[in-house]
Amino acid sequence: ETGVTQTPRHLVMGMTNKKSLKCEQHLGHNAMYWYKQSAKKPLELMFVYNFKEQTENNSVPSRFSPECPNSSHLFLHLHTLQPEDSALYLCASSREGAYEQYFGPGTRLTVT
Amino acid sequence: DQQVKQNSPSLSVQEGRISILNCDYTNSMFDYFLWYKKYPAEGPTFLISISSIKDKNEDGRFTVFLNKSAKHLSLHIVPSQPGDSAVYFCAASGTGTYKYIFGTGTRLKVLA
Repeated sequence: ETGVTQTPRHLVMGMTNKKSLKCEQHLGHNAMYWYKQSAKKPLELMFVYNFKEQTENNSVPSRFSPECPNSSHLFLHLHTLQPEDSALYLCASSREGAYEQYFGPGTRLTVT
Repeated sequence: DQQVKQNSPSLSVQEGRISILNCDYTNSMFDYFLWYKKYPAEGPTFLISISSIKDKNEDGRFTVFLNKSAKHLSLHIVPSQPGDSAVYFCAASGTGTYKYIFGTGTRLKVLA
């Protein structure tokens, strides 16, 4: 039990669809992260939120739009994605100032 | 250019023996390192960490060694157990930053 949940676990979407990924942490953390893991590539940090404020956007295309309404919830809104965006999207959280991040199980996204 | 490299994509070890997983980095500004373990269909789980002020950190069967001059760290698992079979990622960051650079992972298989 990592305390970080993600829904849906699997998502198939067309290039013209709009969908959202959801992440929730039950650990009382105040920092949340979105990562992308493509096949054969290392995890890539996408966005960081501290106390609901975005503090990092790692040059992510605007077709990915994050939202953090509170310290426990994080969304990733997706629109007009490309097939190369197919990947595992992982959410993580941490305490402020702590190095260790706790990951959710991920959403396997396939863009057709 | 990958700043964190795990050059062995896979490793097989007999149960009860030592598993040694290696990680090399290029950025001398990195001073905090973590190891994560990942089972299929789950998110990465934090395993052990080490700060650059140390050269060794131990937690039960897991020991991480850091050689700053060689920019190399390794994870030792003794004794290895079948439940240790997973993908292991190393990650590195600079002081006070949550922006981790991950390696591509090493798949460990412990044979019973």
